[in-house]
Amino acid sequence: EPEVTQTPSHQVTQMGQEVILRCVPISNHLYFYWYRQILGQKVEFLVSFYNNEISEKSEIFDDQFSVERPDGSNFTLKIRSTKLEDSAMYFCASSVDPSAPGELFFGEGSRLTVL
Amino acid sequence: GENVEQHPSTLSVQEGDSAVIKCTYSDSASNYFPWYKQELGKGPQLIIDIRSNVGEKKDQRIAVTLNKTAKHFSLHITETQPEDSAVYFCAVNAGGTSYGKLTFGQGTILTVHP
Repeated sequence: EPEVTQTPSHQVTQMGQEVILRCVPISNHLYFYWYRQILGQKVEFLVSFYNNEISEKSEIFDDQFSVERPDGSNFTLKIRSTKLEDSAMYFCASSVDPSAPGELFFGEGSRLTVL
Repeated sequence: GENVEQHPSTLSVQEGDSAVIKCTYSDSASNYFPWYKQELGKGPQLIIDIRSNVGEKKDQRIAVTLNKTAKHFSLHITETQPEDSAVYFCAVNAGGTSYGKLTFGQGTILTVHP
């Protein structure tokens, strides 16, 4: 069964460092997302990406965050200068058709710990 | 913005019993209501969803009911099994054709005792 894969599974970084989280969405999917889940809290939308540009972003997704699809398979989330409060599980997701309701396929997540 | 409230936060049942989890939402423009199951160390996985033009949807032991007037929807699991133990999240879309931007509830930890 096709799946969304994320790397790394866990990253520990010092405050102020740059972090890049990587995702390989399902190959025929067109719409890509990042969500995050702070420990013990709800899953929160960060950003959606379609046709090589950001479609929507939340208030959380400030200038410290950026997304990129550098090639035909990878989708990355970059945090320029990490803060303690960026510690969370980051989930990448993808879907087939952005204009119709359907399943969002989530990866298993990348746990980011900022010290 | 959208506000989604989910109850209860924890639910403990005996194997074979039914479990019901409820969510309320605030934005009347929302028209897509999925439920996700999250097992330990994994990402959320869709288990059932419903659109606003339908009042109920069933898939084997799982069903979802929607009351658009009251802005609430519920997940029903019948004949629960220990493997149903997980965290369950309801979610709501932003309305219109924005199906990927979801607002999640706080989650319900379901424990099914053998």
